[in-house]
Amino acid sequence: SYELTQPPSVSVSPGQTASITCAGDKLGDKYACWYQQKAGQSPVLVINQDYKRPSGIPERFSGSNSGNTATLTITGTQAMDEADYYCQAWDSSTVVFGGGTKLTVL
Amino acid sequence: QLQLQESGPGLVKPSETLSLTCSVSGGSISSGSYYWGWIRQPPGKGLEWIGSMYYSGSTYYNPVLKSRVTISLDTSKNQFSLKLSSVTATDTAMYYCARQVVVLPAGSPKPLNWFDPWGQGTLVTVSS
Repeated sequence: SYELTQPPSVSVSPGQTASITCAGDKLGDKYACWYQQKAGQSPVLVINQDYKRPSGIPERFSGSNSGNTATLTITGTQAMDEADYYCQAWDSSTVVFGGGTKLTVL
Repeated sequence: QLQLQESGPGLVKPSETLSLTCSVSGGSISSGSYYWGWIRQPPGKGLEWIGSMYYSGSTYYNPVLKSRVTISLDTSKNQFSLKLSSVTATDTAMYYCARQVVVLPAGSPKPLNWFDPWGQGTLVTVSS
């Protein structure tokens, strides 16, 4: 079965750039999307179709996907961005989620 | 604005069937281009897709859970439901419903696929 691998945790200082990776075999041949889940809340879509931001998502969120890795980048990270982030892709009619990355803003 | 709300028992006994309903407001589940899905999250763990259904009746399920899962739609009530049979303690989780985009863009070999929006979730505990 297809697997997506994320680092368990990433730390960043306020105002700096955070990058969260999602690795999967030939992931660049699929579309990836990203969700943000703050403590005690439901997931929220922050990036779809590799790099597109849904309405209402701040411009500091961006995405890319090439080769075997998709990346979520948060430029000028704010304290409110502290959350768990999950990547997701679709393979053989199956939805696959990454294991999630806890972003800590120190 | 589309909103989804899960409902159902918060406590289910081992070996019984978990049954949840997702009520949709602000849009019709019969509209095209969307699937309707269920995702769960055990306490302190990550997201796990359970399955999805199109309004026409087409369904697809997580292979790991497929033998125990049934998803159905009630278009008259604008609701869709999840049944998970023979539950054990490992099925204890927050259960979310969500609208799912599944589209193959013209000229692209890659299907678009994402969940948005999500319901607030409902916690189901499996315990005697």
